[in-house]
Amino acid sequence: QQQVKQSPQSLIVQKGGISIINCAYENTAFDYFPWYQQFPGKGPALLIAIRPDVSEKKEGRFTISFNKSAKQFSLHIMDSQPGDSATYFCAARTRYSGAGSYQLTFGKGTKLSVIP
Amino acid sequence: KAGVTQTPRYLIKTRGQQVTLSCSPISGHRSVSWYQQTPGQGLQFLFEYFSETQRNKGNFPGRFSGRQFSNSRSEMNVSTLELGDSALYLCASSPGLAGGPETQYFGPGTRLLVL
Repeated sequence: QQQVKQSPQSLIVQKGGISIINCAYENTAFDYFPWYQQFPGKGPALLIAIRPDVSEKKEGRFTISFNKSAKQFSLHIMDSQPGDSATYFCAARTRYSGAGSYQLTFGKGTKLSVIP
Repeated sequence: KAGVTQTPRYLIKTRGQQVTLSCSPISGHRSVSWYQQTPGQGLQFLFEYFSETQRNKGNFPGRFSGRQFSNSRSEMNVSTLELGDSALYLCASSPGLAGGPETQYFGPGTRLLVL
């Protein structure tokens, strides 16, 4: 099943708080899990990504936690700021035969609002 | 380096018409992928082109088609438009050889409204 389930749909966090977005998948063929940030009027931009052989990856205030056995991964935004207000998408990659060919399956997105 | 550009940015069409959207990838990128974004279904993969060949296709009806030119610019076409085709259509470019999403960049999208 080519599906990635993302929750919550929307999230309101106070400035300085921790934002947590969760994703779950079924397809064990997924081999790479990126997160995207999208501001209104813009295309998604890659934020951070993780491979399934790693349980955690941290970049600045953004951390991905990955649980391979549970087929779940999550994005944590520490010290959330109003500028983090955006829609966040998790995704999972499937590779196809042939160099460089892959497909991304996206979660449905989480609209994050960070209030001052 | 200029980013991915998409034209037009906004488009209004009526049911039954057809539409062509254009994407110019980042210079040197040879792969162009198209995605449809709607509030209900989120981001869904349409197809990917590399060196003028369709390499990969998502689960969309044949009304959705695309092509890529020798300069890597890509177009997608939707024929016999339906109300449900109203969406933001995103194009993403990447070098297309080795590597993955870390080298893929999205354009701002074309917002299509079908009346």
